[in-house]
Amino acid sequence: DGGITQSPKYLFRKEGQNVTLSCEQNLNHDAMYWYRQDPGQGLRLIYYSQIVNDFQKGDIAEGYSVSREKKESFPLTVTSAQKNPTAFYLCASSIREGRGRQPQHFGDGTRLSIL
Amino acid sequence: GENVEQHPSTLSVQEGDSAVIKCTYSDSASNYFPWYKQELGKGPQLIIDIRSNVGEKKDQRIAVTLNKTAKHFSLHITETQPEDSAVYFCAARTYNNNDMRFGAGTRLTVKP
Repeated sequence: DGGITQSPKYLFRKEGQNVTLSCEQNLNHDAMYWYRQDPGQGLRLIYYSQIVNDFQKGDIAEGYSVSREKKESFPLTVTSAQKNPTAFYLCASSIREGRGRQPQHFGDGTRLSIL
Repeated sequence: GENVEQHPSTLSVQEGDSAVIKCTYSDSASNYFPWYKQELGKGPQLIIDIRSNVGEKKDQRIAVTLNKTAKHFSLHITETQPEDSAVYFCAARTYNNNDMRFGAGTRLTVKP
């Protein structure tokens, strides 16, 4: 079955530690996205990538970094500079289409907590 | 940039009743409006979407309406069932933007 796989499902971070969240898709989508979800709030865009080896900052990129070395993979690193990392992180992908009318498909998320 | 507001934040209905969730958007260039359902501990799942050249779309018990002049769109669920209980998000995307703007979500509870 095609889909988006996020791992791990739960992750704990110690003070001063960087952690990396994995996102893999086998939908052959060009575009991939990372969102942060806090309780009672909508999804906020962290980073997105329209094509391999290219990515752009979203609204809340500070304290995060990404890479896009392969079409299927878009890992997110939460660095120690992100002072409030506790949240539910969602990865999504979509067909890259200039008219912007393609849906995004989501993984089941990673819940990150501070130890 | 685009701003999407969603109301109500919580909605409780009796099984069999209808539920309506409303969203407004700010950017008149927005041309795509999906709705997502999110169950506890899961990612959002697309349930229906509408494009700006259409005023209404229906899929079984779910329908979405779009009023481009007023810049608002709504989700209608008829004959609600307990399994419809979830958080629902609306979103809007513009022609030239590479990202989607989401509403804050509506927690729908369907009481048996």
